[in-house]
Amino acid sequence: DAKTTQPNSMESNEEEPVHLPCNHSTISGTDYIHWYRQLPSQGPEYVIHGLTSNVNNRMASLAIAEDRKSSTLILHRATLRDAAVYYCIPKAGGTSYGKLTFGQGTILTVHP
Amino acid sequence: GAVVSQHPSWVICKSGTSVKIECRSLDFQATTMFWYRQFPKQSLMLMATSNEGSKATYEQGVEKDKFLINHASLTLSTLTVTSAHPEDSSFYICSARVQGQETYNSPLHFGNGTRLTVT
Repeated sequence: DAKTTQPNSMESNEEEPVHLPCNHSTISGTDYIHWYRQLPSQGPEYVIHGLTSNVNNRMASLAIAEDRKSSTLILHRATLRDAAVYYCIPKAGGTSYGKLTFGQGTILTVHP
Repeated sequence: GAVVSQHPSWVICKSGTSVKIECRSLDFQATTMFWYRQFPKQSLMLMATSNEGSKATYEQGVEKDKFLINHASLTLSTLTVTSAHPEDSSFYICSARVQGQETYNSPLHFGNGTRLTVT
């Protein structure tokens, strides 16, 4: 599995955008970049994933660098409910289904 | 859709006893489920991969005789912590992928975890 580097923690104010970076310089060409988040005392939940192109969904946007060695999860307007640990996980696509390897993630604090 | 339910959400047991944790996929079938463990202020660590109708695959360092996994149906996997000790106190989380989507980059769906405290 490709290694990832994420800031230990970040802070934001409510209703402001948040950019959560992730470095994955050893990512292989077939690895998708997945983002999950874990709210306090809950299991993780899927946020978004992408391969090369930037991706948007109702929760967030994912901006992937052209060389794919880094990506940024964008929360357009942070809410208090977005306070969580955010995990960036490169994972092989195609027929390689299965386990996710979680790193330490970024603890996001959202201030009212 | 794609809801994973864990039961119980928390349990306290005495040292030396066994505890069973259930993981159910409520609105989909799952050939494969995964069991994770998370200690306080740490990340999730994969313990084992549970395969319906066959033996589980354990990660290195996880004792298969201590953490018994049974995946008897496409909607239920159980983790039994046998002869629990205080060091087994942790947050146990299961996850599953929708059957038929294993070959795609579909997301994993996680349960809300079971907090085990061994006294």
